[in-house]
Formats: sequence, structure tokens, C-alpha cells
Amino acid sequence: DAGVIQSPRHEVTEMGQEVTLRCKPISGHNSLFWYRQTMMRGLELLIYFNNNVPIDDSGMPEDRFSAKMPNASFSTLKIQPSEPRDSAVYFCASSLRDGKAFFGQGTRLTVV
Amino acid sequence: RKEVEQDPGPFNVPEGATVAFNCTYSNSASQSFFWYRQDCRKEPKLLMSVYSSGNEDGRFTAQLNRASQYISLLIRDSKLSDSATYLCVVNGAAGNKLTFGGGTRVLVKP
Repeated sequence: DAGVIQSPRHEVTEMGQEVTLRCKPISGHNSLFWYRQTMMRGLELLIYFNNNVPIDDSGMPEDRFSAKMPNASFSTLKIQPSEPRDSAVYFCASSLRDGKAFFGQGTRLTVV
Repeated sequence: RKEVEQDPGPFNVPEGATVAFNCTYSNSASQSFFWYRQDCRKEPKLLMSVYSSGNEDGRFTAQLNRASQYISLLIRDSKLSDSATYLCVVNGAAGNKLTFGGGTRVLVKP
């Protein structure tokens, strides 16, 4: 299995632009997580899905952030408009319901 | 209070020594617990699950204390390659919500 695949690996964008991060979970996994990691705040859970349905989005910072999972093999996290404080590493992870999550390599986002 | 708390360290450990550190969690209904390892500029990776009876995986021992709401990780005979950040993870009462602690940084030195 290829593992969790995220794209792009790196993204540099200007403030105000829309950013879309993509994730392909491991086939057969029914939970998908989006995390954000910064030095100051550590690894924060933004949102997670079970069977493509958003279960808890309480970690989404504000309305500028949105996430979708249209099918079992694809999810997006969108930031519109982006701000410099959104600069971070964004991880996608997937798991079965046993809680053992496998992470993608992350997207390093820089908003200038 | 954070849901999952860890001493950030760093724990400076001589090669070959033993190091142990804890993680506390606030939700008494949490169902399962894990330790992950994260190397610099890499993604977190599952190290081991934590069972109520305690469990070992080679040089690593994990324990759970439900009464005091903490889990622990002990590393024996530390290797240079054990240098990393160790993340405590708690699976919530329902729905497979995985909450990470801030991580404990371990530096093993020759």
C-alpha cells in the first residue's frame, strides 16, 4: 500500500489567495483526520471524518477553513482567504476505528 | 486545561541509560491510548498501543493508570536513534477522535 498521500508537499502563496490541500487515505480506512502542526501550538486536530461524514470540526479555526470528503478515497482542506498565521504543516491521517492512525508526509504551507 | 498534556522536555539521556516520561489526560471516559514518535520534519508514526495491563515492545514499555489518568513510556538501553519527539495520543469516548499531546522531546547523547 502506498500509505496516505498528500499534495502538494510544499505550498507558498500570497495572503488572500485560496489554498487547497489534498489527501488520499489508505484504502479501506474509514476514518480521516486533518491536523495542523506549529511550533507554538503543537499538533492540533482540525476535523475528522468517519465513513466520509464530518464528525467533529470544532478544531477548525474559523470560517475561512473548510474540509470535504466526497468519497472514501479523497479529501480536501481549503483555506479561503489565506493569512500569514495559517502558515504551518498540515497533516492528513487515516485509520480504521481502532485509533491507529497513519499519517501522510504533510503539506508545508507558507503564506506571505 | 488541555485534554492531553506532556512535559515538553528536552530529556537529555546518556546512551545506554533509561528514560521515562508521562502524559496526563483529562477525559476519564477515554477509551484507548497510544504513543507515537515524530522525527524532525517528518510525520508522526505509531510506536505502540498502551494497554491497561501494561505492555512491552523490545526496549519500550508503556503503562496506563486509569485512576490517575496518565500513561507512561519507558525506554531502556537508550540508543542514539531514539532521539525524537514522543507524542501521547488519546482516543476519545466515542467516534475515534484522536487527540495528541504536545510531545516530549528526547535527546540521546553519546
